[in-house]
Amino acid sequence: DAGVIQSPRHEVTEMGQEVTLRCKPISGHNSLFWYRQTMMRGLELLIYFNNNVPIDDSGMPEDRFSAKMPNASFSTLKIQPSEPRDSAVYFCASSSISGGAGNEQFFGPGTRLTVL
Amino acid sequence: GDSVTQMEGPVTLSEEAFLTINCTYTATGYPSLFWYVQYPGEGLQLLLKATKADDKGSNKGFEATYRKETTSFHLEKGSVQVSDSAVYFCALSDQGGSYIPTFGRGTSLIVHP
Repeated sequence: DAGVIQSPRHEVTEMGQEVTLRCKPISGHNSLFWYRQTMMRGLELLIYFNNNVPIDDSGMPEDRFSAKMPNASFSTLKIQPSEPRDSAVYFCASSSISGGAGNEQFFGPGTRLTVL
Repeated sequence: GDSVTQMEGPVTLSEEAFLTINCTYTATGYPSLFWYVQYPGEGLQLLLKATKADDKGSNKGFEATYRKETTSFHLEKGSVQVSDSAVYFCALSDQGGSYIPTFGRGTSLIVHP
């Protein structure tokens, strides 16, 4: 298995531009998570999908952030308009909750976003 | 709500030294406990886990024991290597809740030759 795939790996953009981050979870996993990691705030959960349905988006910082999961094999996180404080590494992770709380999360390599 | 507290880093050790990274938790249910490791430039990956009290998780020479009486899950390794330099995250997933994991802030480990 290729693991969780994220693209792009690096993104540099200017303030005000739209940014779209992409994620392909591991086949067969029914839960998908988007995280943001910064030195100041550590690892933050932004949104969580189960069976393609958003379950908890309380971590999405502002209306500028939106996430979709149109099917079981693809999800996007969009920032519009982007701001310098959005600069961070964004991780996608997937898991299968069929085994209950003992199931691990599988993380992608992350997208490093820099907003100038 | 659920929370995980782990010791602040960085932890700096010489090669072959003994490692302990402390982790304590609060949870309303019966959580599973995890240690994840993040190598530079990579995502987190599972290092070990324990799903019930007194269980010991182990992998790559690392160990942690689920201590319900002290609500702790400390990570230990008897002899660290330079290649163990990474950030270590303690986490829990509460079986009585939504299974959404709660992560600690992470502890950076630096091992010198």
